[in-house]
Amino acid sequence: EPEVTQTPSHQVTQMGQEVILRCVPISNHLYFYWYRQILGQKVEFLVSFYNNEISEKSEIFDDQFSVERPDGSNFTLKIRSTKLEDSAMYFCASRRDRGTNEKLFFGSGTQLSVL
Amino acid sequence: AQSVTQLGSHVSVSEGALVLLRCNYSSSVPPYLFWYVQYPNQGLQLLLKYTSAATLVKGINGFEAEFKKSETSFHLTKPSAHMSDAAEYFCAVSDLNGANNLFFGTGTRLTVIP
Repeated sequence: EPEVTQTPSHQVTQMGQEVILRCVPISNHLYFYWYRQILGQKVEFLVSFYNNEISEKSEIFDDQFSVERPDGSNFTLKIRSTKLEDSAMYFCASRRDRGTNEKLFFGSGTQLSVL
Repeated sequence: AQSVTQLGSHVSVSEGALVLLRCNYSSSVPPYLFWYVQYPNQGLQLLLKYTSAATLVKGINGFEAEFKKSETSFHLTKPSAHMSDAAEYFCAVSDLNGANNLFFGTGTRLTVIP
């Protein structure tokens, strides 16, 4: 089965530093997502991306966050100035099309630790 | 607004015993409901989904879930647990067309005791 690939699997950074989390969605997919899970809490939607623009974002996704599809394969999440509360597991996901019949494929996540 | 609540952050069962993982939903519209599983060091994998067809949904690896509107529940079951079932299980609900957001529960970690 095709996979969504996320790198790195673990990222440690100092508070205030910029981090970029990388994702390679499945090649023929058009819709891309970032979710995160703070330890012990729910998996939360951050942002969805289609046709090179954000289609929806949550309240969590403030000005410190940005997403980009810099080339035909990568989909990145940037946190401009990390805070302690950004420590979480970040999941990338993709799907070929919208709708409930389209399966959402998740990556294995990047564990971000902000010190 | 949609949300799900998973009762029990940890569930332990003996190998061969029934697995029951609980999920209750809240939705202002007819829900689309999902169960995902996460094995160690892997991504979230779809186990099964309910999209208003049959109320009893069969998924992969012998799991099934029943949508009960009167109880606003979508509990996940498996008749006989295997060691390989040890993982984190997430219930999720989406909006009517499932286009964008999935709203997840906090997850239930299943331990299978030999």
